[in-house]
Order: sequence, then C-alpha cells, then structure tokens
Amino acid sequence: IAGITQAPTSQILAAGRRMTLRCTQDMRHNAMYWYRQDLGLGLRLIHYSNTAGTTGKGEVPDGYSVSRANTDDFPLTLASAVPSQTSVYFCASSETNTGELFFGEGSRLTVL
Amino acid sequence: GQNIDQPTEMTATEGAIVQINCTYQTSGFNGLFWYQQHAGEAPTFLSYNVLDGLEEKGRFSSFLSRSKGYSYLLLKELQMKDSASYLCAVRESNYQLIWGAGTKLIIKP
Repeated sequence: IAGITQAPTSQILAAGRRMTLRCTQDMRHNAMYWYRQDLGLGLRLIHYSNTAGTTGKGEVPDGYSVSRANTDDFPLTLASAVPSQTSVYFCASSETNTGELFFGEGSRLTVL
Repeated sequence: GQNIDQPTEMTATEGAIVQINCTYQTSGFNGLFWYQQHAGEAPTFLSYNVLDGLEEKGRFSSFLSRSKGYSYLLLKELQMKDSASYLCAVRESNYQLIWGAGTKLIIKP
C-alpha cells in the first residue's frame, strides 16, 4: 500500500542520547515535513523539504536536524535529546508545497 | 500575529448535525484545510477551501469566508465513527501551514 512509513512507532530514550526518526514515502512526492504534536497545541512544523537536496526550518527547529538525500527519505535527528522533546512526531508529504498533506502513523518519543 | 481558534471540545448526538467553527488571523492566505484525526492515529485530509463559499463532500461540508477570517466544518447524519479530533489549518503566503489545536468531537448514542 502506497504511503508514508515511520520508524520507530514508539521509543523511550535517555536524555542526552542521539536519536533518528526515519520516514520513507513511496508516492514520489516532492515536499516532505516533520511535525510534532503536543497535547493542547496544534501541529508545529520542525523542518521541511520542498524537494530532494533542499531543507528549511519550520516553527520549532532547535535541537533537530534533517537531511533529504533523495526523494523518498527524510530522517529527523535529535542530536542530544532533552525531556521537552517528548512528543508525537509526524512525518508528512505532499505532491507540491501547495497540496494536501499525507501523514505517517507517527512516532511516539519519550525522553527521560 | 498568527492565530487559529477552534473550540476545544464539542458533544453531539448520533444522527444529528454539528458545526465546528474555525477563526484565523494569519500572514496572508493561500487556502484552508480540515483534517480528521482519530485518537492515536494520523490526521487524514477532509477538505480544502481557497475561495469563499461552501464545499460539499458527502456528509461533510466546509465553508469559508476570507473577509471574516472564518470557516466551519459541517457534519451531517453523525455516526459513532465520527468521534475524532478535527483540525483546521491555514496555508500562509509562504505556503507553510498554521494549525489550530483541534476540536475533539464526542458522539453520544
């Protein structure tokens, strides 16, 4: 089934550890996004990529980095995790930067 | 500044009609989206409005008034499976989406 795959689904992580959340799409969409979702807040954009080889900062980029080496993959890395990064992370893609977003199933990250 | 307001929670009865409102103040406007999100799942696309007026899609309709910075999602013939959060999002001039916190809709038999 075409779509977006995120891994891991859930992870508990010690503060200070490095963590990479993986995201792969098979829809050949140009744009990809990483959001975090916290209780009582709207989805907040961390980083985005309008096309392979380019990335941009969203609303809450600090503490996170991304890369877009090819069309399909858009990993999100936490270099040194902190408890405030405890959240549900959603990867999404869209055909263009004006189209509807398709979301992965989310990665629930707990930083202790 | 940027702001999107939606009610935090609404309750409705199975078979009834419910209207979920969304008001926004953003830097430019390039369209408004509604997404549905069941608990523990990913958001899924419901509707998109870029021009004023009503867009109907089965039991769901979405309305937009750009001059008022206002939209609503209308759900008819409510079913138990409609229990979910409904997210309003506005695309700004720079094409980035600003999201509301979502409205949790509880359907009672």
